[in-house]
Amino acid sequence: EAGVAQSPRYKIIEKRQSVAFWCNPISGHATLYWYQQILGQGPKLLIQFQNNGVVDDSQLPKDRFSAERLKGVDSTLKIQPAKLEDSAVYLCASSQGAGVETQYFGPGTRLLVL
Amino acid sequence: DQQVKQNSPSLSVQEGRISILNCDYTNSMFDYFLWYKKYPAEGPTFLISISSIKDKNEDGRFTVFLNKSAKHLSLHIVPSQPGDSAVYFCAASGIGDDKIIFGKGTRLHILP
Repeated sequence: EAGVAQSPRYKIIEKRQSVAFWCNPISGHATLYWYQQILGQGPKLLIQFQNNGVVDDSQLPKDRFSAERLKGVDSTLKIQPAKLEDSAVYLCASSQGAGVETQYFGPGTRLLVL
Repeated sequence: DQQVKQNSPSLSVQEGRISILNCDYTNSMFDYFLWYKKYPAEGPTFLISISSIKDKNEDGRFTVFLNKSAKHLSLHIVPSQPGDSAVYFCAASGIGDDKIIFGKGTRLHILP
């Protein structure tokens, strides 16, 4: 069974530029999560989708971050414009929704904002 | 406001010995606790969990203990092996909630 795929794996941009990350969840997984992991911190949930609807985006900085999950499969997370403090690893996870431990994480995208 | 605290950023343990990783939480509404393991350049992977109705859960070399009165849990790895070197995240979830709150992690080094 293929795992959660993410791209790109690394991205370096300058502040005020825009950037987008892509996630392909495990086939059949209805729930998709985006987490932000700042160096030295644990992952923090940004947004949760159930199929193509948003369940929780309370921690998403909506003035600069946006996310969508078209057709309830792939998802993109966008930052526009980026700030220095957005430097982090962005993790995508998916689950069938049967319990918290069934969240499967992708390898993440490491973003560096200069 | 850290609801899940891992106060030891790193821990070094001799191969074959017991590794004990500690975690404290502040939110008494948490009822489910998890440990995740993370290797460099990979996403976290689920390791073991425990419900608040239990005080111990065991899976092979891994045992998690929960002390609800102290709001404390610990992960024991016996015996420790080189492949256990990784970052371990303690995490918690509330009743009927699939949102996970992670701690900052503890980096475990298994020494040969």
